[in-house]
Amino acid sequence: AQSVAQPEDQVNVAEGNPLTVKCTYSVSGNPYLFWYVQYPNRGLQFLLKYITGDNLVKGSYGFEAEFNKSQTSFHLKKPSALVSDSALYFCAVRDGGGSGGGADGLTFGKGTHLIIQP
Amino acid sequence: GAGVSQSPSNKVTEKGKDVELRCDPISGHTALYWYRQSLGQGLEFLIYFQGNSAPDKSGLPSDRFSAERTGGSVSTLTIQRTQQEDSAVYLCASSRTSIIINEQFFGPGTRLTVL
Repeated sequence: AQSVAQPEDQVNVAEGNPLTVKCTYSVSGNPYLFWYVQYPNRGLQFLLKYITGDNLVKGSYGFEAEFNKSQTSFHLKKPSALVSDSALYFCAVRDGGGSGGGADGLTFGKGTHLIIQP
Repeated sequence: GAGVSQSPSNKVTEKGKDVELRCDPISGHTALYWYRQSLGQGLEFLIYFQGNSAPDKSGLPSDRFSAERTGGSVSTLTIQRTQQEDSAVYLCASSRTSIIINEQFFGPGTRLTVL
C-alpha cells in the first residue's frame, strides 16, 4: 500500500522569507510524486512532479521540490514567499511498482495550509 | 481549451435520496478519476476509468456508490440512499493517457450536502 504524510497542518511564513512544506511517502516500488495547490473556492492545480532523473524538480510559480530517496521525502520549497502563495498544498504519490505504468488514482496527503504574512 | 467541468457545483439533498454528479473531462483525455475531499480528511481516491476498459473501483467506499462513463467521455457518479457522512466535495480529474506520470487536471468539484 502507498501512503503520504504531511506532518504540518499549517505553515506560517513572512513574505520574502523562504518556505518549506514537508511531505514524506511510503511505496513498495518506485515513487511517482506530485504537488498540487488549492486556492480558496478553486480546484486543484498541478505544481510539479517527480518521475525520474534530477532530484530537484522545478515547477510553476517559482516552486521547487527535492526528492530524497533515503529519507523518503519530497518537500516543497520556494526561496522567497509571496502573500499570493497562501493556499492549501497537497502532496501525492503513486507507486510505480518497479515496472512503470500503473493506472490507479493518486494517494494524497491531508494537505498543509500555507499562510504568508505580509 | 476548456478545462474539466463538473455539475452541479452545489447539491443539497435529504438523507436517503439518490444523487447524480456529472463530470466532463478535457477533450482528448482518455483517463478519468473521481476523488472525494472531506473536511480534514484530504483527498480520497474513488474510481478510475481508462478508455473503454473496465473501471478500477477499488476506492469506492460502499456499494451505494457507482460510476459510469459513456462513450469514453462524460462520467456520472451516482450515490444511492445518501447518508450524512457522504457530505463532501466530489472532484473529477482527467489526464491524457493511462500512464500515471501524466499529471491530472482537476475540475472545480461538486459540494454535496446531505441533510
